[in-house]
Amino acid sequence: DQQVKQNSPSLSVQEGRISILNCDYTNSMFDYFLWYKKYPAEGPTFLISISSIKDKNEDGRFTVFLNKSAKHLSLHIVPSQPGDSAVYFCAASGGWGGGSQGNLIFGKGTKLSVKP
Amino acid sequence: EADIYQTPRYLVIGTGKKITLECSQTMGHDKMYWYQQDPGMELHLIHYSYGVNSTEKGDLSSESTVSRIRTEHFPLTLESARPSHTSQYLCASSEGTGNSPLHFGNGTRLTVT
Repeated sequence: DQQVKQNSPSLSVQEGRISILNCDYTNSMFDYFLWYKKYPAEGPTFLISISSIKDKNEDGRFTVFLNKSAKHLSLHIVPSQPGDSAVYFCAASGGWGGGSQGNLIFGKGTKLSVKP
Repeated sequence: EADIYQTPRYLVIGTGKKITLECSQTMGHDKMYWYQQDPGMELHLIHYSYGVNSTEKGDLSSESTVSRIRTEHFPLTLESARPSHTSQYLCASSEGTGNSPLHFGNGTRLTVT
């Protein structure tokens, strides 16, 4: 059973507008969440993270929001740029050792297309 | 900037062949990982290592094996490749302190015919 779910396989946004990528998780023991971006034929690259003790973390155009009660996090990209077009993976880890000694559990990814 | 290298980038090989996927990192990271990913699917952890001579199986069962004789090198071996092994294999490393993010290589796309 998937512990980290990204229910939207794809998202299309106009350049300059906001992109919102969503992620849900089922395990309340997760205490750290990360977003990775992946271009075709490349490995994922780390984008931004958030600890469960926070509800928001911002880095430039990227902001991650965490709603622990809803077991939901989202990544906001404002303004969106064509270079942001990529697959975005949500990942979670738990200090209790879930997922092989606290290693990351990934979602299936959301493919973002930003149109000029 | 992370420096982690995987070779080959693409490999097409026949059933029954033995293959080794190479992964090297130059950052001195203790933790290294192998993930397997099929198109449109999540990354699944198949092996990890927390240091030299330490290897563990991940969440997804895999017929592959790994070794960690040197800190910088974490090769993955398939003794007898099968079409079911066709996938993308991603190697990663991390500093291993708390929630240090993973640094990924560009992956090896393996096709077994």
